[in-house]
Amino acid sequence: DIQMTQSPSSLSAFVGDTVTITCRASQVIGSDLGWYQQKPGKAPKRLIYVASNLQRGVPSRFTGSGSGEEFTLTITSLQPEDFATYYCLQHYNYPRTFGQGTKVEVK
Amino acid sequence: VQLVESGGSVVQTGRSLRLSCAASGFTFSIYGMHWVRQAPGKGLEWVAFISDDGTREFYSDSVKGRFTVSRDNSEDTMYLDMNDLSPEDTAVYYCSLSEPLYFDYWGQGTLLAVSS
Repeated sequence: DIQMTQSPSSLSAFVGDTVTITCRASQVIGSDLGWYQQKPGKAPKRLIYVASNLQRGVPSRFTGSGSGEEFTLTITSLQPEDFATYYCLQHYNYPRTFGQGTKVEVK
Repeated sequence: VQLVESGGSVVQTGRSLRLSCAASGFTFSIYGMHWVRQAPGKGLEWVAFISDDGTREFYSDSVKGRFTVSRDNSEDTMYLDMNDLSPEDTAVYYCSLSEPLYFDYWGQGTLLAVSS
């Protein structure tokens, strides 16, 4: 099974900051990775598909990059509504696997 | 697109339960579907997948042999049959329609609590 190692597990930031979250796969997965945002009590929402493509309706301050084994989600100019937990998910093969999550909190 | 999970309950260790996911707003029979769960205060865990025609199934290691995913395309419904439940199965269970290159939809989730 592919292991997804996500870091950091949490971070604190100010509104307006730029934050970066990283996921590393235990093997090469091409670009078969998505990034999700989840707010308390809500279902996850996909922000980025195939590593670097912005889901329709998602603000352009969210950027995904990477391929192979290492991937990054960058949020520029953090907004109040961006404080949430973020997960990566590999869809290279089954079983699909999520990263452990990164909680983005207000500093 | 609407996905509505149901069947969550409080059950005792070792018992069985069936969850349902009723789909609407799209052609259910041409898409594979997923189950994902989230234990209280924990991260997301992918659980199972069933292909559009029900001929292919995949499971996480943690549920393989205990859980079975199925679907009824005439009723636009997916199921998750769960056996030999343990407290570690306590979670909100989501069904998801996710095409990597296109769209991604989730239900609101249904809560399963397994008591020891």
